[in-house]
Amino acid sequence: RKEVEQDPGPFNVPEGATVAFNCTYSNSASQSFFWYRQDCRKEPKLLMSVYSSGNEDGRFTAQLNRASQYISLLIRDSKLSDSATYLCVVTPRGSTLGRLYFGRGTQLTVWP
Amino acid sequence: DTAVSQTPKYLVTQMGNDKSIKCEQNLGHDTMYWYKQDSKKFLKIMFSYNNKELIINETVPNRFSPKSPDKAHLNLHINSLELGDSAVYFCASSRTLGGSYNEQFFGPGTRLTVL
Repeated sequence: RKEVEQDPGPFNVPEGATVAFNCTYSNSASQSFFWYRQDCRKEPKLLMSVYSSGNEDGRFTAQLNRASQYISLLIRDSKLSDSATYLCVVTPRGSTLGRLYFGRGTQLTVWP
Repeated sequence: DTAVSQTPKYLVTQMGNDKSIKCEQNLGHDTMYWYKQDSKKFLKIMFSYNNKELIINETVPNRFSPKSPDKAHLNLHINSLELGDSAVYFCASSRTLGGSYNEQFFGPGTRLTVL
């Protein structure tokens, strides 16, 4: 079983739509959680960290459910520029410094 | 003002050849990484160096050898290239503070094609 599982999509939504992605992780002792964004043929970039109490950054809301071992990302009022692949990332507790486990990503296309 | 740079951006070579990819960061970070992203888009760590010391060495063939001449550089040398080595290789760097994780910044990637 992979450390991090994501629905690869693709998700195709119109501008202005609200879209949500989930991912699950296998290691219950996981410590840190992130969403990265990767544009086509580009490098991954940190979108936001995910905190236990949930956190929001503009149109983006991240939630963590430790009991069910899943992480979610909600995007409100989708923009064309949100089209990208969204990578769920987890760091296990006690892991070697800097070790990240990436999901395979969920592809989002926002159409006009 | 490029933060993490890699050369070359594209690399096309024949099976059996030896090639190197170079990575440099000007962010003052003390930890650098090599990742491989295969055709299925999984991004998997290969190696990590902290202050020039190897700290993560995933199960990769011995044909892959990283070298860190200083904290700002991490190179990847690949011997006897195979078809399965075709992938995008990303370099990344981060700063460690008190043993805690900090954001990793990725280079633009090197797209390796082995014919």
